[in-house]
Parts: sequence; structure tokens; C-alpha cells
Amino acid sequence: SQTIHQWPATLVQPVGSPLSLECTVEGTSNPNLYWYRQAAGRGLQLLFYSIGIDQISSEVPQNLSASRPQDRQFILSSKKLLLSDSGFYLCAWSGTAEKLFFGSGTQLSVL
Amino acid sequence: SQQGEEDPQALSIQEGENATMNCSYKTSINNLQWYRQNSGRGLVHLILIRSNEREKHSGRLRVTLDTSKKSSSLLITASRAADTASYFCATVAYKTGANNLFFGTGTRLTVIP
Repeated sequence: SQTIHQWPATLVQPVGSPLSLECTVEGTSNPNLYWYRQAAGRGLQLLFYSIGIDQISSEVPQNLSASRPQDRQFILSSKKLLLSDSGFYLCAWSGTAEKLFFGSGTQLSVL
Repeated sequence: SQQGEEDPQALSIQEGENATMNCSYKTSINNLQWYRQNSGRGLVHLILIRSNEREKHSGRLRVTLDTSKKSSSLLITASRAADTASYFCATVAYKTGANNLFFGTGTRLTVIP
């Protein structure tokens, strides 16, 4: 069966520090991969999506970047975090079915 | 923006009552999906309804879709305390093969035992 792993679960980082969040999917090949951000008490904002290795599209301009070095690995990065980068980050994947499968999320606090 | 909007933002009911949440969206869709999120967790897919469908059932869930009004509703019957969660609708935009889902702001449901 397919599983998605996302880590870390929580992260506290100072302003200006770098960021790396990792997500991996098991049990499927060539998944579509997604990064979403959720502000406290709000809906989800699509940040990046990828349909294949090194094929990444950004939905909104921001301080973040994404990479997909392997088929089932999706990384969210920043060189210098801003206060506004705080939020709940969710990785997700989809296959031939049209629904998304989400990871457990990373709560990022930038102080 | 294709993002949906749920209504109400928050709903509190007694266990055993029915809960109805509504979703409105702005553009033409291929399908509309409902997800559930427990506090501090990832989202879980509940049900998908296609643009050519008007109603769909799954257990205690009933979803309706009115494409002429660009709206959908999610009904949870005989609610339980375990149904307490946030519920989101999401619509699909197809871009370069990815099934990009755009989510609404959610309805926070509290079921009181």
C-alpha cells in the first residue's frame, strides 16, 4: 500500500535561517507531488506541484523553493526564512485517481 | 481564483443531529471533493463528486452538487463526537497533467456529546 512520510512534525526556526522540509512517498511510482501551506485557522494554499523529476511549478511567488531529486521525494526549501513563512506545511501526492493523499504536516514557527 | 468558500465557518451541534456544510466556487470544474482535517493533522479525502453528478452518498455522508449555482453541500447524518473536525471542499484545475486541488477556507464542526 502507498504511504507518505513528512518530517519533521514541528520546527522552530529563527528569521533568516534556512529551511528544508522533506516528503517521501512509498508504494507508488511517478506520483504527482504537492506542497501546501495552511495559515492558522485558514484554508490551504497550493505552493508547488510536480508531475515528474525536476518538473516543478510554482503557484505563488514567495520566499520558498521546491525540488524533486528523486521520483518519490519532494523537498521544500528556503535560504532565509521570514516571519510570514510560519504555518502548517502539508505534502501530498496523487496518482491516477483524482484525490490527494496528505502527509501528517509540519508546523513551522519562525521567530 | 478557483478557491472555494465554505459556509458556515463554524458549526456546533449536538451528537445525533445532522450537520450541513456548504461550498461555493467560482469557475467551471471537473469534479469537487470534500476533505476532513483533524486539528494539527493532514487532510483525509472523504468523497468526490463529478460535474455530471448531482448527488452522491458514502456511509453517513451525502454530497450534492449544483453546477448552475456553482455550489455543493456536505451533509453528515446522525453526527458523532468523532466527527468533530474541519471540513474543506476542493475543486480541480487541470494543469499540465497535475490534478491541482484548490481548497476553500473550511468549516469547523464541533459535535457536542
